[in-house]
Amino acid sequence: EADIYQTPRYLVIGTGKKITLECSQTMGHDKMYWYQQDPGMELHLIHYSYGVNSTEKGDLSSESTVSRIRTEHFPLTLESARPSHTSQYLCASTLGGQAAYEQYFGPGTRLTVT
Amino acid sequence: DQQVKQNSPSLSVQEGRISILNCDYTNSMFDYFLWYKKYPAEGPTFLISISSIKDKNEDGRFTVFLNKSAKHLSLHIVPSQPGDSAVYFCAASQSFGNEKLTFGTGTRLTIIP
Repeated sequence: EADIYQTPRYLVIGTGKKITLECSQTMGHDKMYWYQQDPGMELHLIHYSYGVNSTEKGDLSSESTVSRIRTEHFPLTLESARPSHTSQYLCASTLGGQAAYEQYFGPGTRLTVT
Repeated sequence: DQQVKQNSPSLSVQEGRISILNCDYTNSMFDYFLWYKKYPAEGPTFLISISSIKDKNEDGRFTVFLNKSAKHLSLHIVPSQPGDSAVYFCAASQSFGNEKLTFGTGTRLTIIP
């Protein structure tokens, strides 16, 4: 069973607020990912990291930023939330090597910006 | 441009029958394919995968078939059980130097008791 956690699970916040979505995994995985998913749509990769101090932007442009100071922690920050940021945010990690594609997902954070 | 397509947003199947979920892709560089299952309020969970060097992979009740010439894969669930009711996502990746996954939009499978 994979151990990857996301907090908060649900967040309703006003426009202009700064928010940080937390993601932690206890599996020692080097590779971590953030996806954004709107209802009925595909998951879009917005950020990924292949290890400590490594972060890259994904295929979908996002105003969010990420950091990777510790292997187990990969937080996502929005400096000024807008209604267009309303979505579900999913964090994932993988061991790499032959199992690289089998990403383990957290439960997600459903963000609503009013 | 959507590179992985799941054209059926929903599917209903009687319990005990076969469920067949389909996925098409356009990027010929994809060489590894996965299926994920997602329950409401949970993250996706890995179900089964297949490399492009194979045309079939089986794991219990789940079998994935890959037709490279048609750029098509399918997931068969036999027999279907009520617990299989979920959203199923197809995903694809290029193995060489790139382990990022490209997802389809998902198919909601409902198993009717």
